[in-house]
Amino acid sequence: DAGITQSPRHKVTETGTPVTLRCHQTENHRYMYWYRQDPGHGLRLIHYSYGVKDTDKGEVSDGYSVSRSKTEDFLLTLESATSSQTSVYFCAISDGLPNQPQHFGDGTRLSIL
Amino acid sequence: AQSVTQLDSQVPVFEEAPVELRCNYSSSVSVYLFWYVQYPNQGLQLLLKYLSGSTLVKGINGFEAEFNKSQTSFHLRKPSVHISDTAEYFCAVSDRSSGGGADGLTFGKGTHLIIQP
Repeated sequence: DAGITQSPRHKVTETGTPVTLRCHQTENHRYMYWYRQDPGHGLRLIHYSYGVKDTDKGEVSDGYSVSRSKTEDFLLTLESATSSQTSVYFCAISDGLPNQPQHFGDGTRLSIL
Repeated sequence: AQSVTQLDSQVPVFEEAPVELRCNYSSSVSVYLFWYVQYPNQGLQLLLKYLSGSTLVKGINGFEAEFNKSQTSFHLRKPSVHISDTAEYFCAVSDRSSGGGADGLTFGKGTHLIIQP
């Protein structure tokens, strides 16, 4: 597997609480991504980063923020979690070249009660 | 903007039979195309990709896909499936002008391949 570690792997929390998910890579890739996976929707891009402190919004960015202070770490934060954010979250990394497509982590299963 | 349509949410197939999983895309720009597989409780693993050249692309685990530009399709095929092929399969596209997915992939909703003994 590409060196991608997501933490935590599972989390249960309550509506209104802040939640931070971490993605750590050991590949020194420039690009990092956060997707969410929901039944009937496939994977949808939340935010991505193209370098340290350089981030941009994806298709479903409302209610999420991200930060990247180091090449190896990309954090996804739910400032005030809602039940609609219950999902499986995947981090992916890429060096941005088409012949080196994205590699995915094992996911974080987040339940918001 | 791009979109991807996977026409079947579930495909049941008997073991050792052939299978085709369908994928159509819509885009105003040239795209790269990918198929990923997701086994239960795991992340996504790349099966194959189409970047350019031959329209028939071979991937891992005996899968292949054919790019058809006129029909904007990229169907995935395997001549003989095994129980171990039971998984979710995702078709995805990226915009060529962005460097091949640097700004993220657009995924279809997935097809659940169910292999029956």
